Amino acid sequence: DQQVKQNSPSLSVQEGRISILNCDYTNSMFDYFLWYKKYPAEGPTFLISISSIKDKNEDGRFTVFLNKSAKHLSLHIVPSQPGDSAVYFCAASARQYSGGGADGLTFGKGTHLIIQP
Amino acid sequence: GEEVAQTPKHLVRGEGQKAKLYCAPIKGHSYVFWYQQVLKNEFKFLISFQNENVFDETGMPKERFSAKCLPNSPCSLEIQATKLEDSAVYFCASSQSRQEPQHFGDGTRLSIL
Repeated sequence: DQQVKQNSPSLSVQEGRISILNCDYTNSMFDYFLWYKKYPAEGPTFLISISSIKDKNEDGRFTVFLNKSAKHLSLHIVPSQPGDSAVYFCAASARQYSGGGADGLTFGKGTHLIIQP
Repeated sequence: GEEVAQTPKHLVRGEGQKAKLYCAPIKGHSYVFWYQQVLKNEFKFLISFQNENVFDETGMPKERFSAKCLPNSPCSLEIQATKLEDSAVYFCASSQSRQEPQHFGDGTRLSIL
């Protein structure tokens, strides 16, 4: 039973345009969401996060939107650049339910973003 | 250090042998996590530590897997009597607090032959 779903295995976007990556979750206890970017043979690199008390968080070219009622979040990258080509993972945790300790993340299967020149 | 350091980068073991992986978290980070990536894009949470204390080990196959984070030593993940299905990339992550995101190392690729 997959609790975090990224239904698009890949996405191709032209350089300079907006990239929109989507993520759905099923566990209502999730209250903290993160996006990671991963290049081959490297570990995931943290990009941006959002707490469930917000519906938007922005950091430079990256914006994450959270729709709690739909259990959906999206990552917007604008403008897209060639270096953005990577696999993007959505991850979630249930911090308020973990008893104040170290929360393991539940990951989606990733979306391979390809930025075309 | 400024990065999570995992050693070795690649480890090859025959089926039934022991495998031991190491992780040095970022200096000042109190929380350490281990994940297993089997197949290309599936991360599975294994275990977490708060300093040297195990916090959550619900993802650990307890019969053969064990982990430790002792003071002044790298954290370790040990697999006894390895099986072919243990072949995966094992990632370690650390964070400064619960409010901070986890930062990952580059992983150890474990190949069981």
